Amino acid sequence: AQTVTQSQPEMSVQEAETVTLSCTYDTSENNYYLFWYKQPPSRQMILVIRQEAYKQQNATENRFSVNFQKAAKSFSLKISDSQLGDTAMYFCAFTPIFGNEKLTFGTGTRLTIIP
Amino acid sequence: ETGVTQSPTHLIKTRGQQVTLRCSSQSGHNTVSWYQQALGQGPQFIFQYYREEENGRGNFPPRFSGLQFPNYSSELNVNALELDDSALYLCASSSTSGDTEAFFGQGTRLTVV
Repeated sequence: AQTVTQSQPEMSVQEAETVTLSCTYDTSENNYYLFWYKQPPSRQMILVIRQEAYKQQNATENRFSVNFQKAAKSFSLKISDSQLGDTAMYFCAFTPIFGNEKLTFGTGTRLTIIP
Repeated sequence: ETGVTQSPTHLIKTRGQQVTLRCSSQSGHNTVSWYQQALGQGPQFIFQYYREEENGRGNFPPRFSGLQFPNYSSELNVNALELDDSALYLCASSSTSGDTEAFFGQGTRLTVV
């Protein structure tokens, strides 16, 4: 069984600053995907970024990047130049590579961007 | 832009009743997964349907059941509702063809009183 842990229930940062959200996970799988999802007040889960465990290069998507440390089972999300629209719940999630997108989620981090 | 739609958006039921939630998957997607998100928690995997068959189930009792139709839309049924079933129910569609992501609907907020 897989577990995903997010140890920061809430974070806040000034607009335009950089913030890093932490995630650790536990699995016996060797090949898997890791995700960061954003859930704004509209409730819809939106994929922010995805990392394949067999790729050593950290994924980046515009202002969003990850620090993937496979040996440490750590997967943090860095948001650069934070914007008011980044205010949301952020969830870290895991699925085995042949798991057909059956996701295991963490408990989330509530991020508030302060104007 | 996601094409996953869920209905209804909100629902209030009485303990012991039965409820059916609906999900229309995104065009081209053949797989639907259901998640329960209790207040302040992350989503928990309930089950997944692929080509009208259950394809994996999380730690939920048999009173949680589902269906998938030939057009790949899906229903989640919950019998004998309990107060702890109050949650946001999320549907996600994906495809087993190629490397695609799961797209989520906006969820159904179920309140059991």
